[in-house]
Amino acid sequence: DTAVSQTPKYLVTQMGNDKSIKCEQNLGHDTMYWYKQDSKKFLKIMFSYNNKELIINETVPNRFSPKSPDKAHLNLHINSLELGDSAVYFCASSPGTSGLSQYFGPGTRLTVT
Amino acid sequence: GENVEQHPSTLSVQEGDSAVIKCTYSDSASNYFPWYKQELGKRPQLIIDIRSNVGEKKDQRIAVTLNKTAKHFSLHITETQPEDSAVYFCAASKGRNQFYFGTGTSLTVIP
Repeated sequence: DTAVSQTPKYLVTQMGNDKSIKCEQNLGHDTMYWYKQDSKKFLKIMFSYNNKELIINETVPNRFSPKSPDKAHLNLHINSLELGDSAVYFCASSPGTSGLSQYFGPGTRLTVT
Repeated sequence: GENVEQHPSTLSVQEGDSAVIKCTYSDSASNYFPWYKQELGKRPQLIIDIRSNVGEKKDQRIAVTLNKTAKHFSLHITETQPEDSAVYFCAASKGRNQFYFGTGTSLTVIP
């Protein structure tokens, strides 16, 4: 069974487009996250979310917005894509709200041309 | 904000030798320190973690030590094997949205 899944695995799109990445977890976790890993492999948290609270990293442009239809899903929507958005995006989840024991999804490689 | 520094950036060891990766953090409020292993093209996977009320934790060939006073923590891998080759990330956290990762260490275990 896949604990944390993401779709698509690869996404190639042009500048200015709007795209979404989907994430689902079947672990029953309360909190989900989005991370960005750039070409230098730096991992940076973008958002954390549970059914009560969204916390946004202040450095994330408002073109990025998480959307959670239910506790098991946290999708990432990106407006007006830019070249610098090219990266691997990882979804993760953890039990509770403390951030302990995060499980990562397989990642989505986004390439903006 | 928190600043996590990780050293070395690359590390090569002979199979069977030990590997040590060190991280320092700046915010004394950080209280949770996980380590992740990321193989090429794969997701980061939690391999061991430690909370600030513990000084050392061990899981088979992997151990983590924490020195709160000095604000540093280390990953120790003993009897390294080729499958230990990967990029290892440390992280420091003081809450669920305050996760700060180190810059990663690329470990190569030479058979």
